[in-house]
Amino acid sequence: GQQVMQIPQYQHVQEGEDFTTYCNSSTTLSNIQWYKQRPGGHPVFLIQLVKSGEVKKQKRLTFQFGEAKKNSSLHITATQTTDVGTYFCAGSGGSNYKLTFGKGTLLTVNP
Amino acid sequence: SAVISQKPSRDICQRGTSLTIQCQVDSQVTMMFWYRQQPGQSLTLIATANQGSEATYESGFVIDKFPISRPNLTFSTLTVSNMSPEDSSIYLCSVEEGQYGYTFGSGTRLTVV
Repeated sequence: GQQVMQIPQYQHVQEGEDFTTYCNSSTTLSNIQWYKQRPGGHPVFLIQLVKSGEVKKQKRLTFQFGEAKKNSSLHITATQTTDVGTYFCAGSGGSNYKLTFGKGTLLTVNP
Repeated sequence: SAVISQKPSRDICQRGTSLTIQCQVDSQVTMMFWYRQQPGQSLTLIATANQGSEATYESGFVIDKFPISRPNLTFSTLTVSNMSPEDSSIYLCSVEEGQYGYTFGSGTRLTVV
């Protein structure tokens, strides 16, 4: 079945440093989604990427979808303490509407 | 986006008992999804609940253990039956919202003792 790998598992940064998490699928995806889960909270949708090579930005967050639609990344510029949480990528493939989640990257930010 | 009310938010249960988790959505949705998230882990899909038909379970999850009801287009329940400590987890319901991704309930944190 479809597998989505995500690295790193943990990332600790100083406030102001950049952060990147990477996602790789074993199969071609129809779309990839990114979620943020604050400690003790539930996942909250950030963005969906659909097109090959697509790049989207949300303020300090930049999301990319690879040309082959098998990998993706989330980059945060100049992290803030409010960025703390676990970032999950989740992909769906072909006619399968189901989402397969990566294991997530836990980001901690030292003020 | 849809608003999902999930309850209970947490519970501590004795092994061998059952717990029913409820999710109410403020709009009509065709499919509702139930996930499990073990502490510090990712989300695993348990089943997909369609109104008017039996839920579709993922590999490793069975109806006898996780019976699901979907009486209408705004409501669903998941029961965790005959619980053991291994069932301690966070259970989440969700709905799909197209380009706006999936919206999740606030989760039920279950501890089985």
